[in-house]
Amino acid sequence: KAGVTQTPRYLIKTRGQQVTLSCSPISGHRSVSWYQQTPGQGLQFLFEYFSETQRNKGNFPGRFSGRQFSNSRSEMNVSTLELGDSALYLCASSLASIRDMERYNEQFFGPGTRLTVL
Amino acid sequence: SQKIEQNSEALNIQEGKTATLTCNYTNYSPAYLQWYRQDPGRGPVFLLLIRENEKEKRKERLKVTFDTTLKQSLFHITASQPADSATYLCALERYRGSTLGRLYFGRGTQLTVWP
Repeated sequence: KAGVTQTPRYLIKTRGQQVTLSCSPISGHRSVSWYQQTPGQGLQFLFEYFSETQRNKGNFPGRFSGRQFSNSRSEMNVSTLELGDSALYLCASSLASIRDMERYNEQFFGPGTRLTVL
Repeated sequence: SQKIEQNSEALNIQEGKTATLTCNYTNYSPAYLQWYRQDPGRGPVFLLLIRENEKEKRKERLKVTFDTTLKQSLFHITASQPADSATYLCALERYRGSTLGRLYFGRGTQLTVWP
């Protein structure tokens, strides 16, 4: 089974620009979560989508947004980029099934998109 | 909000010894706790999950304990090998009604196993 894929892997942007990152979850996974990882803050939760609906949201400004499509693929958008947005952006998918407590929220991470804002 | 602390940023041990990593949390009792491994330049990889009503979980050389009274989880790697060198993250989630809540991650402990 193919893993989580993220595109692009690397991105360089300048302040004020916007960016869209893409994530394709594992087939059959309906939940997609996005995280920002920086050396100073660690792994910070951005939001989670389940069946095209945002189910959870972290403490990030409105410049960070996302969506999920009917095939569970997800995109994340950051508008008006700031220098502090430079980070590794990770996408994770999961079955998110309550029936099987052992596996229901195990997160499968993609390789990430390394965003550099100049 | 949930606060998670992992005992130290870095842990260095000799090959063959047992590595013990600590994860402490405050504010809420999690529904369950997970441990992940992350290698440089890669996304985290799931290792183990332990539920709030479980005391201990094992998988090969890995063992996780969960003490909800102390609000602490311990992650052990026995007979450690240089290939175990990586950053280990703990993550927890609490129930939010009937839906799944978000995952809170610790900042990780970088483990180095030297020969």
